[in-house]
Amino acid sequence: EADIYQTPRYLVIGTGKKITLECSQTMGHDKMYWYQQDPGMELHLIHYSYGVNSTEKGDLSSESTVSRIRTEHFPLTLESARPSHTSQYLCASKRTSGSTGELFFGEGSRLTVL
Amino acid sequence: TQLLEQSPQFLSIQEGENLTVYCNSSSVFSSLQWYRQEPGEGPVLLVTVVTGGEVKKLKRLTFQFGDARKDSSLHITAAQPGDTGLYLCAGDGGGGSNYKLTFGKGTLLTVNP
Repeated sequence: EADIYQTPRYLVIGTGKKITLECSQTMGHDKMYWYQQDPGMELHLIHYSYGVNSTEKGDLSSESTVSRIRTEHFPLTLESARPSHTSQYLCASKRTSGSTGELFFGEGSRLTVL
Repeated sequence: TQLLEQSPQFLSIQEGENLTVYCNSSSVFSSLQWYRQEPGEGPVLLVTVVTGGEVKKLKRLTFQFGDARKDSSLHITAAQPGDTGLYLCAGDGGGGSNYKLTFGKGTLLTVNP
């Protein structure tokens, strides 16, 4: 069982609000990722981190930002939410050394912006 | 840009039937993973295939990696309602320890009792 947690699981907010989606893992993994998932579409990588103080933008352009101050914590922030940000956001982590390449996913945060 | 095409997109079958889902690309991948995602959950890894032509079995699930490492298939024998979920394939294009996975759109499987 993966030890990676996301909060909140569900969030409904109004346009213009600032939100932070939390992601924490207790496995000591160096690499962490944020994916966006919409029905019938591929998982799109929006942010990733290879360690503390390392963050990069993914393949899909996103107005969100991330930080990695601690190994176990990788929050995603939207400064001003819009209806186009409505989606499911999945956080994942992966071990670097001796890794089989397996991504461990959280249960997801489903965001609805009205 | 590497793309993975999964087919069929939707599949609804009766318990006990067999099925095969496909994952195809024009690109070569150094490895390919299959994940299953149940409603309200994150994807969970089922298998990783690395060698062209490789076949791996996981109980009633059989995974095959194409000889050219461009495609893969997942065959389920005697499907059960517990097999219901979204099946995702994901390819690793290589590049060492900093690789990023390319995901397909998934096959949504429903197994009816």
